[in-house]
Amino acid sequence: AQSVTQPDIHITVSEGASLELRCNYSYGATPYLFWYVQSPGQGLQLLLKYFSGDTLVQGIKGFEAEFKRSQSSFNLRKPSVHWSDAAEYFCAVGSNDYKLSFGAGTTVTVRA
Amino acid sequence: NAGVTQTPKFQVLKTGQSMTLQCAQDMNHNSMYWYRQDPGMGLRLIYYSASEGTTDKGEVPNGYNVSRLNKREFSLRLESAAPSQTSVYFCAGGGLYSNQPQHFGDGTRLSIL
Repeated sequence: AQSVTQPDIHITVSEGASLELRCNYSYGATPYLFWYVQSPGQGLQLLLKYFSGDTLVQGIKGFEAEFKRSQSSFNLRKPSVHWSDAAEYFCAVGSNDYKLSFGAGTTVTVRA
Repeated sequence: NAGVTQTPKFQVLKTGQSMTLQCAQDMNHNSMYWYRQDPGMGLRLIYYSASEGTTDKGEVPNGYNVSRLNKREFSLRLESAAPSQTSVYFCAGGGLYSNQPQHFGDGTRLSIL
C-alpha cells in the first residue's frame, strides 16, 4: 500500500529565509507526487506535481521540489519565504488511478 | 469563475440525522472527489467519480453515499450521522491532465452531537 510521511509537524522560519519541507513516500511503482498548500479556512491548492521526466519540478508561488528515487523523497523548497507562505503543506503520492494518499501535513509559521 | 463551490460551509447535526453536502464545479472537470480532513491525518478519500455516471469507493466510504448528478455536481450524503463523522469535508475536481484532484472547494465544517 502507498503511504506518505511528512516528518516535520511544524516548522518556524524567518521571513526571507529559505524553507525546505520533507516528504518521504512508499510506493511500489513509479509514483505520481504532489504538493498542496492549505491556508486557514480554505481548501487545498496544488503547488506542483511530478509524473516523470526532469526530477526538479517548478511550481507556483516560487516553490520547487526534487524527486529522489533512491531516497524515496520529494522535498519542497523555497529560497526566500514571505509572510503569506504561512500555511499547512501536504505531500501526496499516487498513480493515475484517482486515489491519492496524503501525508499528515506540515504547518509553516513565518516570523517577522 | 467560482471554481469548486461547496454548500453549506458549516453545519451542526444531531446523531441519527441525515444530510446531503453539495458540490458544484464550473471548471469542466471530468473527475470529482469527496475527502474528509481530520487533525493529524491529512485528507482521506471517501468516494470519487471518474466521470459522469460513475462512482467508486475510496479509503473511508462507510456511512456515506454519493451521487454524480451531472458533470458539474457531486453530492455526499450521510444517511444516519454519527459523532465519528465530525470532520471537515472537501470536494475537489480533477482530470484535466491527470486523474488526481486539481482544485478544491473551501470545505464544509460538520459537527455531529
